[in-house]
Amino acid sequence: GAGVSQSPSNKVTEKGKDVELRCDPISGHTALYWYRQSLGQGLEFLIYFQGNSAPDKSGLPSDRFSAERTGGSVSTLTIQRTQQEDSAVYLCASSLGSWVEQYFGPGTRLTVT
Amino acid sequence: TQLLEQSPQFLSIQEGENLTVYCNSSSVFSSLQWYRQEPGEGPVLLVTVVTGGEVKKLKRLTFQFGDARKDSSLHITAAQPGDTGLYLCGTSYGKLTFGQGTILTVHP
Repeated sequence: GAGVSQSPSNKVTEKGKDVELRCDPISGHTALYWYRQSLGQGLEFLIYFQGNSAPDKSGLPSDRFSAERTGGSVSTLTIQRTQQEDSAVYLCASSLGSWVEQYFGPGTRLTVT
Repeated sequence: TQLLEQSPQFLSIQEGENLTVYCNSSSVFSSLQWYRQEPGEGPVLLVTVVTGGEVKKLKRLTFQFGDARKDSSLHITAAQPGDTGLYLCGTSYGKLTFGQGTILTVHP
């Protein structure tokens, strides 16, 4: 079956511009997660959705970051007024229940110039 | 302070060698997961260990959960170039938290 998909796979943007990253979870997975991974680093948790609600937004690094999920499926992570330190790979994962085994997408590599 | 400490951070070995990666914490966990991530891909779940002292084998990979459920190890026998990647341990301690990872390079 189809896994988690993310788009775009690569995004280069100028400092100060807004970007939107998309995640399509595995069909039927109610939980969805966003992580950020900098070069050579582990995964940094950003936000978690259960259905359309986000019970845990504690990892969002600043108010420039926001995310939404509609229809219990697709999620969009938006970064406003991008900064160079936002450059990283943004990974999305989904799971059948909360915090059980997660299935990851291939990530979006964001480069802010 | 990292909830999960992985070691070593980097490991570069020759094909055929054995290796062990460690994941340690001062906290007790109900379960622990190991993932492998290849360049340009997302992490892929390898195994979940839940019982103290548990040992799971996946072909040449052996995973062990410490008796006190505070630590885990991943042992690879006769490493192959295809084993190259980032190995991450993670646990659901309120939220899924990962160690910093071990970057393994296996040279042919």
